Amino acid sequence: EPEVTQTPSHQVTQMGQEVILRCVPISNHLYFYWYRQILGQKVEFLVSFYNNEISEKSEIFDDQFSVERPDGSNFTLKIRSTKLEDSAMYFCASTPLAGGPNTGELFFGEGSRLTVL
Amino acid sequence: KDQVFQPSTVASSEGAVVEIFCNHSVSNAYNFFWYLHFPGCAPRLLVKGSKPSQQGRYNMTYERFSSSLLILQVREADAAVYYCACEGGFKTIFGAGTRLFVKA
Repeated sequence: EPEVTQTPSHQVTQMGQEVILRCVPISNHLYFYWYRQILGQKVEFLVSFYNNEISEKSEIFDDQFSVERPDGSNFTLKIRSTKLEDSAMYFCASTPLAGGPNTGELFFGEGSRLTVL
Repeated sequence: KDQVFQPSTVASSEGAVVEIFCNHSVSNAYNFFWYLHFPGCAPRLLVKGSKPSQQGRYNMTYERFSSSLLILQVREADAAVYYCACEGGFKTIFGAGTRLFVKA
């Protein structure tokens, strides 16, 4: 069964370093998302991406964050200069349908745990 | 502000029916989605829709701004976090998750 894969599963980095989290969405999916979950807190929306551009982003997704689909299969989240509060589990998700209301189920990866020291 | 609300914990006994309630303030949201999440695994969809629906042991009730997930014949293995979510625009908004505790 097709699945969303994420790498790395766990990354430890020093504050101020750049981090790239990688995701391979399901191949025929059109919409891509990043969510994060700080330990003990809820899953929070970061950004949605369609047709090679950001569709929507949250207040969390500031200038330190960027997303890219560099080669038609990978979908990356870059954090330019990490802060302690960026420590979280980052989930990638994709959906086969074009965006808008009622697009349906999100297919999640298992997450990438980022620890910033 | 677009938000989804659900209780932080629910407890049940094995074999019982457990209900997890959810309501939202998400603009233009019509569908509810209920996800199951075991730590270390990918969240996965249990049931969704804009009307009452059932998938196996999972029932979903539906009102315009609220929904309940009912898990029938609860088992110890159902102990996990259950997320309610609603869709508004180009994003899906998740509740904070409800941790289900199951007593043998």
